[in-house]
Amino acid sequence: DIVMTQSPDSLAVSLGERATINCKSSQSILYSSNNKNYLAWYQQKPGQPPKVLIYWASTRESGVPDRFSGSGSGTNFTLTISSLQAEDMAVYYCQQYFATTRTFGQGTKVEIK
Amino acid sequence: QVQLVQSGAEVKKPGSSVKVSCKASGGSFRGYHITWVRQAPGQGLEWMGGVVPVFGTPLYAQEFQDKVTISADESTAYMELHSLRPEDTAVYFCARENTRVGGSGSLDYWGQGTLVTVS
Repeated sequence: DIVMTQSPDSLAVSLGERATINCKSSQSILYSSNNKNYLAWYQQKPGQPPKVLIYWASTRESGVPDRFSGSGSGTNFTLTISSLQAEDMAVYYCQQYFATTRTFGQGTKVEIK
Repeated sequence: QVQLVQSGAEVKKPGSSVKVSCKASGGSFRGYHITWVRQAPGQGLEWMGGVVPVFGTPLYAQEFQDKVTISADESTAYMELHSLRPEDTAVYFCARENTRVGGSGSLDYWGQGTLVTVS
């Protein structure tokens, strides 16, 4: 299975500041024939199901604020929240869908400093 | 607008089985994969397995290989957990994987989650 490792496990950021979450896959999740990275980012708030923010590593889901952006390729990926808002307090997960058995990262909890 | 509506919370005895359903409201599963995800209390998300409704063979994560049976028709997906143990206590989510041509490939619609308590 492809192992997804996120860092850090948690971070505290002041309102209006940048939050950066990293995700590393144990093997490349870039499919050379279409040049797409098979990676998604999800946000989960307490008591709610996850919500997709980003897919193909850098494409924002419809309706997601543009302060959320995804980058990276191959094995190293980043989710950036450019200006943290109070409603962004949540746990964020990366997920690969390159392999037939999908896997999630362990999650990163974002709190307000 | 598709909604995935899951069956209600369950309390089960150790050694028994539970079957959770996930119904598509406002659409069907045709052309999509259906995935099940486990979340133990205070823990992260675990991909359990998935299936292409009607025609597909289910695929399971290794740790759930002999633990779960996933199936689906065009509008309802099912996840059955066997030989329940207290550590199977968790919220179980179904989700639609957007595997259509030109789709995102991500889990774009989620059920509300079903709490299964084994005690």
